[in-house]
Amino acid sequence: NAGVTQTPKFRVLKTGQSMTLLCAQDMNHEYMYWYRQDPGMGLRLIHYSVGEGTTAKGEVPDGYNVSRLKKQNFLLGLESAAPSQTSVYFCASSYSRGRGQETQYFGPGTRLLVL
Amino acid sequence: AQSVTQLGSHVSVSEGALVLLRCNYSSSVPPYLFWYVQYPNQGLQLLLKYTSAATLVKGINGFEAEFKKSETSFHLTKPSAHMSDAAEYFCAVRHGSSNTGKLIFGQGTTLQVKP
Repeated sequence: NAGVTQTPKFRVLKTGQSMTLLCAQDMNHEYMYWYRQDPGMGLRLIHYSVGEGTTAKGEVPDGYNVSRLKKQNFLLGLESAAPSQTSVYFCASSYSRGRGQETQYFGPGTRLLVL
Repeated sequence: AQSVTQLGSHVSVSEGALVLLRCNYSSSVPPYLFWYVQYPNQGLQLLLKYTSAATLVKGINGFEAEFKKSETSFHLTKPSAHMSDAAEYFCAVRHGSSNTGKLIFGQGTTLQVKP
């Protein structure tokens, strides 16, 4: 049971380049989330998904797109990277029962540097 | 709307001393509250959570937190700090929507433990 895994662990991009971050979970969780972490700002929600084939915007969605074609995978895309997107990105997942008290399980993170 | 405030971005204690990390929340509905810990270069790990079953919540690694509705607080404590407790700690409140499991995070508090 690997939990939540993220690929890649680290990436350097040039401004304007595109890339996709992959998140995978093997816990059969319905809900998945993408966050970014910046110093002094905690974690901010980018996009989330409440089930296969569904996605929704979070707090800071601009410049990002997501897809959830399979229940176990949640992809985060940057179409045209900007230096402001330099950050550490975390994926998380949780069950849907319990009306919000369920624990979110986090991946190890992806460090992205945009030059 | 829900929000979380963590008082003090950095807290320094001596090994063996009491650890107190402060968290205040605002919520228009009965809250679910969480404390997560992040060790260097790792993802977030759940320490404990309040789900209305008991106001004093015990978590892993000797940590506990008390929910005080009158003070809208959920402070994290540990009687005796250990060097291995050095990490960043995040308080979070579940978003008002009950069918998405979204969390709102505080800015984080870095705990330094001095020998």
